[in-house]
Amino acid sequence: AQKVTQAQTEISVVEKEDVTLDCVYETRDTTYYLFWYKQPPSGELVFLIRRNSFDEQNEISGRYSWNFQKSTSSFNFTITASQVVDSAVYFCALMSNFGNEKLTFGTGTRLTIIP
Amino acid sequence: GAGVSQSPSNKVTEKGKDVELRCDPISGHTALYWYRQSLGQGLEFLIYFQGNSAPDKSGLPSDRFSAERTGGSVSTLTIQRTQQEDSAVYLCASSPYRGLVSPLHFGNGTRLTVT
Repeated sequence: AQKVTQAQTEISVVEKEDVTLDCVYETRDTTYYLFWYKQPPSGELVFLIRRNSFDEQNEISGRYSWNFQKSTSSFNFTITASQVVDSAVYFCALMSNFGNEKLTFGTGTRLTIIP
Repeated sequence: GAGVSQSPSNKVTEKGKDVELRCDPISGHTALYWYRQSLGQGLEFLIYFQGNSAPDKSGLPSDRFSAERTGGSVSTLTIQRTQQEDSAVYLCASSPYRGLVSPLHFGNGTRLTVT
């Protein structure tokens, strides 16, 4: 069985602060992919990143960075110098090689950036 | 180019009525997915199509739910004899390849309210 846990239901930070969104996953498969999606108030889910289980290198994209650690089954997402436009619900998701093509999503973290 | 298009964007229906939700995927995308997002919940997988066939229907909540895809393009999700617990946002996503290769592109969803 696959499971994704996003323990933080809601987070509020003041603009320009850094914030980390936690994601912990469970899978028995050795080959899998992890994803982060952003859902702004408009409702459309926007793809942010995909990482495969064999690549534990951290990734940075502008103000966004991701920390993948297989030892703790975590794939955390950090926003540096947050901006109001970062306010959204963020979902972590898992797809495994034998998971019949479905993404298993966490329940999401609602991030509010206070100006 | 055009993204995934879903219609209607909002649907209010009376309990017991049937509803049809439509999804137009991105042109050329062979994989199509339906997810359901209930208030405060994560995204729940419903069904996946590869071309016109649905190898995985495991997520459909009951036999009141059905889906079809024609011409490898448009998909319709039908809910018969709607119940109040069917109220949710129904999201459609498409992908040019099987999920491990390419991330999903989501539409804006159809917000279904059953009164």
